[in-house]
Amino acid sequence: AQTVTQSQPEMSVQEAETVTLSCTYDTSESDYYLFWYKQPPSRQMILVIRQEAYKQQNATENRFSVNFQKAAKSFSLKISDSQLGDAAMYFCAYRNTGNQFYFGTGTSLTVIP
Amino acid sequence: DTGVSQDPRHKITKRGQNVTFRCDPISEHNRLYWYRQTLGQGPEFLTYFQNEAQLEKSRLLSDRFSAERPKGSFSTLEIQRTEQGDSAMYLCASSFGILTGNTIYFGEGSWLTVV
Repeated sequence: AQTVTQSQPEMSVQEAETVTLSCTYDTSESDYYLFWYKQPPSRQMILVIRQEAYKQQNATENRFSVNFQKAAKSFSLKISDSQLGDAAMYFCAYRNTGNQFYFGTGTSLTVIP
Repeated sequence: DTGVSQDPRHKITKRGQNVTFRCDPISEHNRLYWYRQTLGQGPEFLTYFQNEAQLEKSRLLSDRFSAERPKGSFSTLEIQRTEQGDSAMYLCASSFGILTGNTIYFGEGSWLTVV
């Protein structure tokens, strides 16, 4: 079974600074997808960024980028120029070839004005 | 695109009662997922439908839980003889495989409190 580990229960960052959230996963598959989801206090999970495992290039979406290390099974999220609206729970997720999604336990990000 | 809709948003029930949650996926999404989330935890997979077929069920889904997706559109999740341990948020998500970038889109969730 696939597992997703987020070792940072809480993180904080000064507004306008950069923060990196860590995620590792365990799998024996070679073809899969990785995601970061954000869950603000309103509780609806929204997609931040996704990465296909077959792509070597790291995904980027505006201020959000990932560092995907396939061999190390690591998938970190970097948030640049942090904004107050970035404060939320962030979940790393893994999708296997059977369309199953597995989530980590989340990292609570606080943005300090 | 109206997003994934869940109803009710909040439900308080007495232990032993039955509850039913409804999920309306994004139009034309053929895959539908149910997850359970407790405070401070990530979503835990419960079950997954492709069209009307229930393809997978988690071991978390005891005999008291049943899910259906008649006609491959909306889905219902029923919990019979609720227990206090069932208190959680029940999340529904949908996708259309590669046409949605293999991404799932979540509803706002249904909060269940069993007293």
